[in-house]
Amino acid sequence: SQQGEEDPQALSIQEGENATMNCSYKTSINNLQWYRQNSGRGLVHLILIRSNEREKHSGRLRVTLDTSKKSSSLLITASRAADTASYFCATDAGGGSNYKLTFGKGTLLTVNP
Amino acid sequence: SQTIHQWPATLVQPVGSPLSLECTVEGTSNPNLYWYRQAAGRGLQLLFYSVGIGQISSEVPQNLSASRPQDRQFILSSKKLLLSDSGFYLCAWGRGNTIYFGEGSWLTVV
Repeated sequence: SQQGEEDPQALSIQEGENATMNCSYKTSINNLQWYRQNSGRGLVHLILIRSNEREKHSGRLRVTLDTSKKSSSLLITASRAADTASYFCATDAGGGSNYKLTFGKGTLLTVNP
Repeated sequence: SQTIHQWPATLVQPVGSPLSLECTVEGTSNPNLYWYRQAAGRGLQLLFYSVGIGQISSEVPQNLSASRPQDRQFILSSKKLLLSDSGFYLCAWGRGNTIYFGEGSWLTVV
């Protein structure tokens, strides 16, 4: 079963706009990660946020985590056409077995030039 | 730096034929290794993971098997492919919290 569920399933924006994607999960976690997948390619790790963190930044990426609501958001600021990809959240199983990640179905982001 | 290689990149196989996908990792030792499958329009499903040579854990019952004959080699196999085995297969390695993926193998069973 899938732990994380991204929302929306698809998002289309104009270049320069901000893109926000959300992820909800069901059980306790040690950390939550976001990955990016270009069409037909492997996944690339973007950012990891630990369960005791509430916000994290990396370049144009901003991730928030609300463990009370079991949700996370990924914000991409000043989007570019090259940001077009699918974005997945991934959670570990919690309880120390953090060598396994469970992925959601992803959000397909299209940035129009 | 660490790199992961996965092959073949694309293959078309008839129903009932065998399958072998191979993955190797360079630049690290004793990594955790993973096989994921991604069906069209769906998320990633963890098929197998391994924490050491000869140690394989299966996540879902299926028509596939995995082996780890060497520390940095992970093989996904099937004796007889089914149509439902079609998909995008991703090998990955990890240590600690983060997993790093190969470029994937597209399998079409016809």
